[in-house]
Amino acid sequence: NAGVTQTPKFQVLKTGQSMTLQCAQDMNHNSMYWYRQDPGMGLRLIYYSASEGTTDKGEVPNGYNVSRLNKREFSLRLESAAPSQTSVYFCATRLGGSNQPQHFGDGTRLSIL
Amino acid sequence: DQQVKQNSPSLSVQEGRISILNCDYTNSMFDYFLWYKKYPAEGPTFLISISSIKDKNEDGRFTVFLNKSAKHLSLHIVPSQPGDSAVYFCAASAIDSWGKLQFGAGTQVVVTP
Repeated sequence: NAGVTQTPKFQVLKTGQSMTLQCAQDMNHNSMYWYRQDPGMGLRLIYYSASEGTTDKGEVPNGYNVSRLNKREFSLRLESAAPSQTSVYFCATRLGGSNQPQHFGDGTRLSIL
Repeated sequence: DQQVKQNSPSLSVQEGRISILNCDYTNSMFDYFLWYKKYPAEGPTFLISISSIKDKNEDGRFTVFLNKSAKHLSLHIVPSQPGDSAVYFCAASAIDSWGKLQFGAGTQVVVTP
């Protein structure tokens, strides 16, 4: 039972390159989320998908796009990477309804030179 | 502006003693509060939660207290164990927000023998 799987675990990019971070879940959860964590800060929401077929912006969406490919998969794309996007990216899922916690993957560590 | 604040970046406690972690929030629309534990190079793991209709929730060694009038919550860990050494994040979500979480910056807990 893998839960929430993120790929890749590590990646180094050059400024201007593009990349897609993948997230897949086997928990049959309805909602999925992308966060970034920077040193000394809490996690900040980039985009989320409340249910299959819907996506919406979070707190820090600039420079990112997302795709909810199906119920299991939610990808995050950097079209033209910038050094300010160096961060650890976490995907999370949530069953839906009220008062349900989110469950996180182990993250993708992304460095942009 | 940061709506969830953890003002103590670090906490050192002796094994067997109580750990108390504090969290303050500013948004009166928050109705669900969570604590996550995070080890290095792993994703946050859900620990315990509380809804705004309660003032206390207990799960084994972990108890969360909510004081709505003060917009304050705390996590008590009794007794503290070496495996509790981790970063603890406080998080909150608002009514009708699709479970989107606002995180505090985290508190690093070190449990010493």
